[in-house]
Amino acid sequence: EPEVTQTPSHQVTQMGQEVILRCVPISNHLYFYWYRQILGQKVEFLVSFYNNEISEKSEIFDDQFSVERPDGSNFTLKIRSTKLEDSAMYFCASLRDRHTEAFFGQGTRLTVV
Amino acid sequence: AQSVTQLDSQVPVFEEAPVELRCNYSSSVSVYLFWYVQYPNQGLQLLLKYLSGSTLVKGINGFEAEFNKSQTSFHLRKPSVHISDTAEYFCAVRMEGGSEKLVFGKGTKLTVNP
Repeated sequence: EPEVTQTPSHQVTQMGQEVILRCVPISNHLYFYWYRQILGQKVEFLVSFYNNEISEKSEIFDDQFSVERPDGSNFTLKIRSTKLEDSAMYFCASLRDRHTEAFFGQGTRLTVV
Repeated sequence: AQSVTQLDSQVPVFEEAPVELRCNYSSSVSVYLFWYVQYPNQGLQLLLKYLSGSTLVKGINGFEAEFNKSQTSFHLRKPSVHISDTAEYFCAVRMEGGSEKLVFGKGTKLTVNP
C-alpha cells in the first residue's frame, strides 16, 4: 500500500541552526501539507502546497519557515533558525484530490536544545 | 472558520466494554469529517471518514461513527474494545470545496484496561 515517508524520524538540533525535514508524498497525489504537534497538544496546520506553490499557510508559518518540492518527489520543510519552541512532531501529509482523505507520514520528532 | 471540540480529554474503559468518543464541530459551510488514531510514538492513521452519502460510516478495527448534521456531531463508537485500542483519537474537519487544510480537535486519550 502506498504511504507517505518522512526522514529523519528524530532530529536534535541546536537553537539557531537550520533544519530540513524531508517527506516523500504518495506519487499520484497533488496536494501536500505540513502539520505540527507540540508534545501533549493538538495537531496544527502549518502550510499547504499545490501546483508548485503555497496555497495556504497558518500564522505559525512565518518567515523562518519555507517549503519546497525540488524534484517532483520530495517535499521539504526548512526552518531557517530554530527556536526552542519549534520542538514538536512534524507531520507531512498528501491528498490525491479535494474529495478524498489525507494520508500522513510517521512524523519527524524535532528537538531543539 | 471551522473548529472541532472533543470534550473528553481522557476516556478509561475496561476491555470488552463499549466506548463512545465525542466530537462536535462548528462550521458555516459543509464539511468532510475524519477520525484519526495515533498509537504511542507513531503517526496519524485514518480510522474512518465521512465525505458524503450514508451518515453511518464504518472504519477499520471495528470502529464506526455517525454524522449528525443537526447536532453538528461525529461521535466515534466501538461496541467492544480491546487492549490494543489504547491510543489517542483525533477528530478532524475539512471544508467541502474550500480550504483543504484539516482542523483537528485536541484529541481523546483512550485507555483500555484489562
